[in-house]
This record gives sequence, structure tokens and C-alpha cells, in this order.
Amino acid sequence: QKEVEQDPGPLSVPEGAIVSLNCTYSNSAFQYFMWYRQYSRKGPELLMYTYSSGNKEDGRFTAQVDKSSKYISLFIRDSQPSDSATYLCASPDYKLSFGAGTTVTVRA
Amino acid sequence: DGGITQSPKYLFRKEGQNVTLSCEQNLNHDAMYWYRQDPGQGLRLIYYSQIVNDFQKGDIAEGYSVSREKKESFPLTVTSAQKNPTAFYLCASSIGAESEAFFGQGTRLTVV
Repeated sequence: QKEVEQDPGPLSVPEGAIVSLNCTYSNSAFQYFMWYRQYSRKGPELLMYTYSSGNKEDGRFTAQVDKSSKYISLFIRDSQPSDSATYLCASPDYKLSFGAGTTVTVRA
Repeated sequence: DGGITQSPKYLFRKEGQNVTLSCEQNLNHDAMYWYRQDPGQGLRLIYYSQIVNDFQKGDIAEGYSVSREKKESFPLTVTSAQKNPTAFYLCASSIGAESEAFFGQGTRLTVV
């Protein structure tokens, strides 16, 4: 079983919609979680870094962690075509495990 | 500028040849990682190093080798034993375990 699982999508939404991305993790000892955004043929860039349970908001982005169900989510409000990218969840345990990534397309 | 530099951006090699991908960071990070990404797939860990002169195999280490002789450098060698080496290779670094990681821009290796 992979340590971090993510639905690869793809996901296509109209501009202005809310994008909802989800991951699950297997190791209950994980405490830190990250979301990365990757544009085509580029290296991933860090979007959000969260610790423990609850919500963290940064502009149009909200990261949510539910430790009881081992579920992490990323919400993008008022999505824009520039948000079209692959989004990867990760847990920075000793070997930095990534989910498969979800490719998102925001249609103008 | 601080960051992670991968070179070259594109690399072509003939089948059967070893090739070394460069990764240098000036962030004073202890931990460094190498990942492979294939089309439509996520990041698969090849090797990681938490400290100089020490490194560990990741999930897909077969056919690859690394060294960590200096804190700022973590080169990856793709050997002829790697059966399907054509891929996008990404290097990352972090202050340590449980810290956010920062990535280079990747090297696209094509073996013909």
C-alpha cells in the first residue's frame, strides 16, 4: 500500500468554480502535509504546508487535514485558467512520500 | 539567488551508456532527494540523503546510483542496468525530515 494515495483525475471545471482535491494517507504517525502545484514540464512548487488537523487558508487556497479519517484536502476558490496544473499531496516523513497527482483544467 | 539547480535541462544518451544528472543547492539544506516522473504519474522516490556521506534507497533504486560527498551536491547516475531510463528527473532538498521540500526544474532524459 502506498503511503499517500491520490485520485489522479483528471478534473475539468469551469472558471470560477471551486476545485476540490483529496488524498488519503496510511501512516497515522504522519503529522505534516504539503500540497504542490506542478505546471507542465516544470518542477513542483510548494503551495501549502500544514501541520496537524484543521484548516489553513492562503488567499484562494484552503488546505484541510482530518487526522481521524487520515484525509487531506485542498480547495481552490474562484478557480482561474492559470490554476490549470497538476496538484500533488505529500507527507514529509523521513522519505517525503507523494501522491500520484491530480491534473486540473480550468476552462475559460 | 538561492535555490536548487539541475543540469542539464535536456539530456540525450545512447542505450547502454551511463549518464550523470547534476543537482546543486545553495540553501544549506541537509536533506536531498531524487525522484522520477513518468507521463501521467506522480513522483517516485529513487534515492534520498538526510546528511552528507549518507544516503538511502527509495522505492525504485534499481539501476541508479548516487553520492553525497558535499552538502550542496547530490548527483544521480543512471546506469545501463536501468531498463527504462527515459523520464523526467526531479531533485529536491529540505532543511530536514518533516520540512517542506523545494524542487529544481528537472532534467528530461531521453535514451535512444
